[in-house]
Amino acid sequence: GESVGLHLPTLSVQEGDNSIINCAYSNSASDYFIWYKQESGKGPQFIIDIRSNMDKRQGQRVTVLLNKTVKHLSLQIAATQPGDSAVYFCAELLYNQGGKLIFGQGTELSVKP
Amino acid sequence: EAGVTQFPSHSVIEKGQTVTLRCDPISGHDNLYWYRRVMGKEIKFLLHFVKESKQDESGMPNNRFLAERTGGTYSTLKVQPAELEDSGVYFCASSQGGKSSQHFGDGTRLSIL
Repeated sequence: GESVGLHLPTLSVQEGDNSIINCAYSNSASDYFIWYKQESGKGPQFIIDIRSNMDKRQGQRVTVLLNKTVKHLSLQIAATQPGDSAVYFCAELLYNQGGKLIFGQGTELSVKP
Repeated sequence: EAGVTQFPSHSVIEKGQTVTLRCDPISGHDNLYWYRRVMGKEIKFLLHFVKESKQDESGMPNNRFLAERTGGTYSTLKVQPAELEDSGVYFCASSQGGKSSQHFGDGTRLSIL
């Protein structure tokens, strides 16, 4: 069946270091992936997305890498800041099912000052 | 523009009682989705409206859950009677098209005692 999951539930990094958050998916037919950030008491907030015909996409301080061979997705955050502390979810958007999202479990990122 | 708003932000009720959650999507967004996150697990899809029509309710747990979107504007999600396992955070999201980015509300934290 479809599933999107994460390798690690928690990640702790030093302020200024780079963070890498990983995600594995199982639906080889998926064609669109999104990373969300969820802060305490808030809803998921869009960070960056990538289509399956790409292997890398860069935003401001964030980069998403897609490896379709091993069905792996990662989010890299450069120069991690305390404000980056949150739970990060990867999600698969299913175009052929009305655009519903299939989420992974989430990784909690803690940034130490 | 105003974002997706959800009410209440937090609800505490006893097992067996009824609770109704409300979601006001972004004005003009035809697509409205309900999701929930239970006890630190992944965020799971519940159902999808296009205007007032239910497009996909495959994620609804059982018939104790009833979602409506009369008039195609705001939506309600009623749980009757509530059970302990219904505790969690219920998120609503809206988008213009089924392939567009979904904007999330801050969720309703539901606690069943």
